Amino acid sequence: EDQVTQSPEALRLQEGESSSLNCSYTVSGLRGLFWYRQDPGKGPEFLFTLYSAGEEKEKERLKATLTKKESFLHITAPKPEDSATYLCAVQAEDSNSGYALNFGKGTSLLVTP
Amino acid sequence: DAGITQSPRHKVTETGTPVTLRCHQTENHRYMYWYRQDPGHGLRLIHYSYGVKDTDKGEVSDGYSVSRSKTEDFLLTLESATSSQTSVYFCAARGGAVRNEQFFGPGTRLTVL
Repeated sequence: EDQVTQSPEALRLQEGESSSLNCSYTVSGLRGLFWYRQDPGKGPEFLFTLYSAGEEKEKERLKATLTKKESFLHITAPKPEDSATYLCAVQAEDSNSGYALNFGKGTSLLVTP
Repeated sequence: DAGITQSPRHKVTETGTPVTLRCHQTENHRYMYWYRQDPGHGLRLIHYSYGVKDTDKGEVSDGYSVSRSKTEDFLLTLESATSSQTSVYFCAARGGAVRNEQFFGPGTRLTVL
């Protein structure tokens, strides 16, 4: 059974204090690993898809990396507006659920001024 | 984004009442999904659709049914709502084989009293 575990559950950072969020996963064959940002009361907002170990993607202060067992979301010099819940999800290669995503429980990030 | 809207955005109903949630997309995506989000759980797949009139069950499908009579509309029905179905419901659409991203709607907050 596919499993996605995110850590930490919650993270509090000072503005400018860089850190990383972790997503460890087990899946029979990885088709893709997804990162989303979710603000309170809103739907998840797509950030990145990673497909193979060693792949990296960047967007503003965020950088996502992928290994065979985990993914990291690095946040460089965060700002208060980066405060949100970050969700990780995997898509299995032999998906029998129409390429649906299997989500972790998320990391709640708070960046204080 | 996939131009996904959901209606209603909020609903309060009573146990035993039938409820239908609507998802509408404007990008002609083939795959659509219904997820629910609850505290302590990641997003969980309820049902998905891979085309008009083509649907299948997800991880937590008991008590739910879906229909897709047009590409742009995907309906989720709770035949007889229970308190355990109090949740936030998200619709998503997949951007296709090349664009594998899944885009989410804004969500419907359903409370069953």
